[in-house]
Amino acid sequence: NAGVTQTPKFRVLKTGQSMTLLCAQDMNHEYMYWYRQDPGMGLRLIHYSVGEGTTAKGEVPDGYNVSRLKKQNFLLGLESAAPSQTSVYFCASSYRAGWGYGYTFGSGTRLTVV
Amino acid sequence: DAKTTQPNSMESNEEEPVHLPCNHSTISGTDYIHWYRQLPSQGPEYVIHGLTSNVNNRMASLAIAEDRKSSTLILHRATLRDAAVYYCILYTRMEYGNKLVFGAGTILRVKS
Repeated sequence: NAGVTQTPKFRVLKTGQSMTLLCAQDMNHEYMYWYRQDPGMGLRLIHYSVGEGTTAKGEVPDGYNVSRLKKQNFLLGLESAAPSQTSVYFCASSYRAGWGYGYTFGSGTRLTVV
Repeated sequence: DAKTTQPNSMESNEEEPVHLPCNHSTISGTDYIHWYRQLPSQGPEYVIHGLTSNVNNRMASLAIAEDRKSSTLILHRATLRDAAVYYCILYTRMEYGNKLVFGAGTILRVKS
């Protein structure tokens, strides 16, 4: 049982480059989320999705785009990476709204933008 | 989002019980109390959640005050593997548009 799988685990980008982070879950969860975690800032929500084909902005959406073309996948894109996007990115999923259930998190992607 | 207050850090001895407190004096009737923990270099991990009654699972117990303005996460026998940041989060019951919002949490150190 894989749970939530994030790829890649590590990546170094140059300023201005683009990349896509992939999140895949095998639990048939409806809801999926992207968070970033910076030292001293805790986890902050970037974007989330309440079902296939839907996306919504979270607390810090600027500079990121997302897509949920398939229920099991949630992609996070950086069109033009900036050093301020250096962070650890976590994907999570939940069965429905999550208040009555727990979130399952992936192990993270450590991104460095130089 | 309703706010929670946790101590910045706590220390425990291995094999002893640990009581992690959380204050949430502005909790509303539709707020669930969730606990997550994050081990070093890992993603957060769901621990337990409750609404009004105390809850037990294989990882921990959650004791909720009668007025719901505070709660306590109980680890019955701390191990070195329990050293982590523990987050107490209020999660409002809504069908759409609500998300888990993390605060600073409590850093738990376990001494051998």
